[in-house]
Amino acid sequence: SQTIHQWPATLVQPVGSPLSLECTVEGTSNPNLYWYRQAAGRGLQLLFYSVGIGQISSEVPQNLSASRPQDRQFILSSKKLLLSDSGFYLCAWATGGAAGYTFGSGTRLTVV
Amino acid sequence: GNSVTQMEGPVTLSEEAFLTINCTYTATGYPSLFWYVQYPGEGLQLLLKATKADDKGSNKGFEATYRKETTSFHLEKGSVQVSDSAVYFCALSDGSGYSTLTFGKGTMLLVSP
Repeated sequence: SQTIHQWPATLVQPVGSPLSLECTVEGTSNPNLYWYRQAAGRGLQLLFYSVGIGQISSEVPQNLSASRPQDRQFILSSKKLLLSDSGFYLCAWATGGAAGYTFGSGTRLTVV
Repeated sequence: GNSVTQMEGPVTLSEEAFLTINCTYTATGYPSLFWYVQYPGEGLQLLLKATKADDKGSNKGFEATYRKETTSFHLEKGSVQVSDSAVYFCALSDGSGYSTLTFGKGTMLLVSP
């Protein structure tokens, strides 16, 4: 069966520090992968998506970047965190079309 | 572009009450429609979906019907339980190869005993 792992579950980081959040998928090949952010009262915002290794599309220009070094690995990074980067970050995968997404359990990031 | 509008919450109900959470959408073409549920501190789980007009998605007593004429996908449940307390998100996929989902802002449901 397909599973998605996301870590860490919670993270408190100082302003200006780097960030690396990792997401891995098991049990499927060549999935579409997504990073979303859920800020308080603002719903879900698509940050990045990837349809293959090394292929990254950015939906919102900001202080974050994403990489896909392996087929089932998706990494969200920042060189210097801002207070506004605080939020709940969700990774998801999909096989396309009407299948919908399967989400990871999320990472709660607090920038202090 | 695509958009999803949900009723603002929180929706507060007593156990066994009838639930409706409204969702309307704007999209080109023929999107697929979804309801996701998020329990406190967790990620999102797919609750139900519908892929074409007049389809009814159902799961765990929840139902929603894809109404193309009113561009709506309202979520309903005949008798809610305390365990249904969560945030519910309506979403659409335009069916492109990238399958990006557009979400509504979410509606919090609080069910009291």
